[in-house]
Amino acid sequence: GAVVSQHPSRVICKSGTSVKIECRSLDFQATTMFWYRQFPKQSLMLMATSNEGSKATYEQGVEKDKFLINHASLTLSTLTVTSAHPEDSSFYICSVKGRYGLNTEAFFGQGTRLTVV
Amino acid sequence: AQSVTQLGSHVSVSEGALVLLRCNYSSSVPPYLFWYVQYPNQGLQLLLKYTTGATLVKGINGFEAEFKKSETSFHLTKPSAHMSDAAEYFCAVSSDTGRRALTFGSGTRLQVQP
Repeated sequence: GAVVSQHPSRVICKSGTSVKIECRSLDFQATTMFWYRQFPKQSLMLMATSNEGSKATYEQGVEKDKFLINHASLTLSTLTVTSAHPEDSSFYICSVKGRYGLNTEAFFGQGTRLTVV
Repeated sequence: AQSVTQLGSHVSVSEGALVLLRCNYSSSVPPYLFWYVQYPNQGLQLLLKYTTGATLVKGINGFEAEFKKSETSFHLTKPSAHMSDAAEYFCAVSSDTGRRALTFGSGTRLQVQP
């Protein structure tokens, strides 16, 4: 399967600061990347879909100005949580779908535990 | 629209016992179905998937699942539970058309008692 690297795995930041999370596809070109958010003991909720060469598509209720997504290349997508607040504390996970042969399944990064204090 | 329902947020079995985690889906198009496992503070690892073809699919770690269209189900089973199977399990659905992101069920936490 594909290898997806997400960094950092954990981050603690002060309220009001911004945090950038990187998601890298290490061994194939990812035309589509997805960002999920997972609250404790809950399922994964899709935040946005990032397509290479176009703007991200955000799910209803997700503030695009707060959660900035940039699909900079076929191997890198970033999620920036701007002006973070304690309620943004969560587990963020990215996933990728490939261009060829991997269209049916998604591969996931290790996740990032964000704590805003 | 697609949705997934996982019956039972917690399942507890004894080591060596049968594991059965239930998943029912709703999809207006032919579904792709997946089971993922998540260990604490980690991402998701694919256990198995159904796209087309054989309805009984085998995955890693001895898990398997059967796609039953008439019952809109994709239950996950393992004949004999191991302590290392204790984790959170998510059933998910997607399709080749429309929204390509996975839609997840609420998850089932599997506990394995010694």
